[in-house]
Amino acid sequence: GENVEQHPSTLSVQEGDSAVIKCTYSDSASNYFPWYKQELGKGPQLIIDIRSNVGEKKDQRIAVTLNKTAKHFSLHITETQPEDSAVYFCAASVGVKGNQFYFGTGTSLTVIP
Amino acid sequence: GAVVSQHPSRVICKSGTSVKIECRSLDFQATTMFWYRQFPKKSLMLMATSNEGSKATYEQGVEKDKFLINHASLTLSTLTVTSAHPEDSSFYICSASAATGANVLTFGAGSRLTVL
Repeated sequence: GENVEQHPSTLSVQEGDSAVIKCTYSDSASNYFPWYKQELGKGPQLIIDIRSNVGEKKDQRIAVTLNKTAKHFSLHITETQPEDSAVYFCAASVGVKGNQFYFGTGTSLTVIP
Repeated sequence: GAVVSQHPSRVICKSGTSVKIECRSLDFQATTMFWYRQFPKKSLMLMATSNEGSKATYEQGVEKDKFLINHASLTLSTLTVTSAHPEDSSFYICSASAATGANVLTFGAGSRLTVL
């Protein structure tokens, strides 16, 4: 089955700096890659996603890049703010209506004011 | 956008009692819902996949008789923790994907279960 690895497990950045979180996956059939942000005591919220027919997607300060050949995708947060502090999870899924999502182990991001 | 409501957000119960957690898709129909358990500072551990109108598919190591899942309609799935013990204390999260369209997964806010 699919194996998703996520790095780093913890990340601290100064406010205003950029943060990058990387994930690799093993199943070349995976074609949907969402990123979730989880604040303490809450459920994960989708912040951005990318499908395998696209190499990059951007939404304001957040961007995701996908390298299908190397089987890795990354989350980029620019101009970080304290409210970006949270745990971020990547995931990989197979199929148009794939019911199986494979999650990374999470990255705890701390933005230092 | 898609909204998943999970209730209760927090529950405290005595050892030996049963607790039911509800997961509702508010503005879409969900043929499939997922139940996860999350330990502190850990990733999401998939417990079971709940399919509307059929039996849930449990992950290896998850006790079916302890964690009862019912998905009676396209908008509601329930997880019942039976005969709860302190080791069942955890953060339980549900998620749902729409019956139609692409497989975007929406999560509930989670339920913090504490068993005394």
